[in-house]
Amino acid sequence: DAGVIQSPRHEVTEMGQEVTLRCKPISGHNSLFWYRQTMMRGLELLIYFNNNVPIDDSGMPEDRFSAKMPNASFSTLKIQPSEPRDSAVYFCASSLEGRPAAGYTFGSGTRLTVV
Amino acid sequence: GDSVTQMEGPVTLSEEACLTINCTYTATGYPSLFWYVQYPGEGLQLLLKATKADDKGSNKGFEATYRKETTSFHLEKGSVQVSDSAVYFCAFNQGGKLIFGQGTELSVKP
Repeated sequence: DAGVIQSPRHEVTEMGQEVTLRCKPISGHNSLFWYRQTMMRGLELLIYFNNNVPIDDSGMPEDRFSAKMPNASFSTLKIQPSEPRDSAVYFCASSLEGRPAAGYTFGSGTRLTVV
Repeated sequence: GDSVTQMEGPVTLSEEACLTINCTYTATGYPSLFWYVQYPGEGLQLLLKATKADDKGSNKGFEATYRKETTSFHLEKGSVQVSDSAVYFCAFNQGGKLIFGQGTELSVKP
């Protein structure tokens, strides 16, 4: 298995532009998580899905952020409009619900810089 | 609420020194416990885990024992290497999601 695949690896955009981050979870995993990592705030859970349905989006910072999971093999995290304070590394992770002891598998992350 | 408290970093050690990174948690019931490692520029990788009280997880020379009485899961290694330099995260599962600590940066000098 290729693991959790995120794209792009790096994204530099201007303030006000729309940014879309993409994630392909491990085949067969039915839970998907989006995290944001910054020096100031550490690792924050933004949203997670079970069987393509959003379960908890309480970590989404504001309405500028949205996430979708149209099918079991693809998810997006969109920021519109982007702001400099959104600069961070965004991670996607997947797991198999019902097997909490298995932990998560993380992607390599997308480093977002908003200038 | 549910939370993980880790020893603050950065921790700087010389090669072959002993390592302990403390981790305590506040959780409902008896969750599975995890240590993740993040090498520079990479995502988090599962290092080891323990699923019940008194279990010992181990991998790559690292160990941690699930201590129910003290709600702790301290990470230990007898002799660290430069290649162990990374950020280490303690975590447990609760309600379908992992609760992470803030991470502890380890720097090992030759």
